[in-house]
Amino acid sequence: NAGVMQNPRHLVRRRGQEARLRCSPMKGHSHVYWYRQLPEEGLKFMVYLQKENIIDESGMPKERFSAEFPKEGPSILRIQQVVRGDSAAYFCASSPRSGSGQETQYFGPGTRLLVL
Amino acid sequence: SQQGEEDPQALSIQEGENATMNCSYKTSINNLQWYRQNSGRGLVHLILIRSNEREKHSGRLRVTLDTSKKSSSLLITASRAADTASYFCATAGSGNTPLVFGKGTRLSVIA
Repeated sequence: NAGVMQNPRHLVRRRGQEARLRCSPMKGHSHVYWYRQLPEEGLKFMVYLQKENIIDESGMPKERFSAEFPKEGPSILRIQQVVRGDSAAYFCASSPRSGSGQETQYFGPGTRLLVL
Repeated sequence: SQQGEEDPQALSIQEGENATMNCSYKTSINNLQWYRQNSGRGLVHLILIRSNEREKHSGRLRVTLDTSKKSSSLLITASRAADTASYFCATAGSGNTPLVFGKGTRLSVIA
C-alpha cells in the first residue's frame, strides 16, 4: 500500500511564475490536508479538502493560492505569481475519515519550493 | 496564534539515555499528537492521546497529558542514533478544526 505521494519533490520557480504541487493520498483516503513549513518552524495548516469539496481553507492566503481535489486525480495546490516569501516546504497529508485533527494524518515527503 | 510550544528547542544526548520533550498549549483540546520528522523528510505519526487519557505507551515511547496544566511530555527511553530527528506536538480542538503544530524539538542522539 503506497503512502502519500507528492511531486515534484523539488521545484524552482522565478518570481512571477506559477507553481503547481501535486498530492496523491493513500489508497482509500478521501481527505487531504496541505501544510506549509518554513525553515526551523513547525507546520502551518493551509487547507482541508475532500473529493470535489473544500472543507476548511482558513489557513490559505487570500490571494494567489488555490487548492482543488477533483473526483479523479491528485489534489493540486496552485500558487500563482510566486514571490520569494513563498519559498518553503509544502506537505500534503491524508486520512481515511473526516474529522481533520481527530484523525491520524499520514504525510507525504513534501515539495520544496524555491523561488529565485 | 500558535498552540503547541515544545521545550527544549534542541536536545543532545548520548545513545542509551532517555530523552524527554515537553509541549505546552493554550486552549482546550480534544487530542494531542506527537510526530517525528527526519531531516528533509515528511512527518511520521508517533502517538495520539485524547483529552480524557493521561498516559500512553508505544514501544520505547511514553506520552503523558496533563490537561489541568495544558501540557504533554514525550519520553523516549534507551535512545538510539536513529532517533535523531525533530519532534513536533500538534493539538486538535473538537470537530473539523485542523491540527496546530508547535515549532518542534530537535533531538540529536550521539553514538
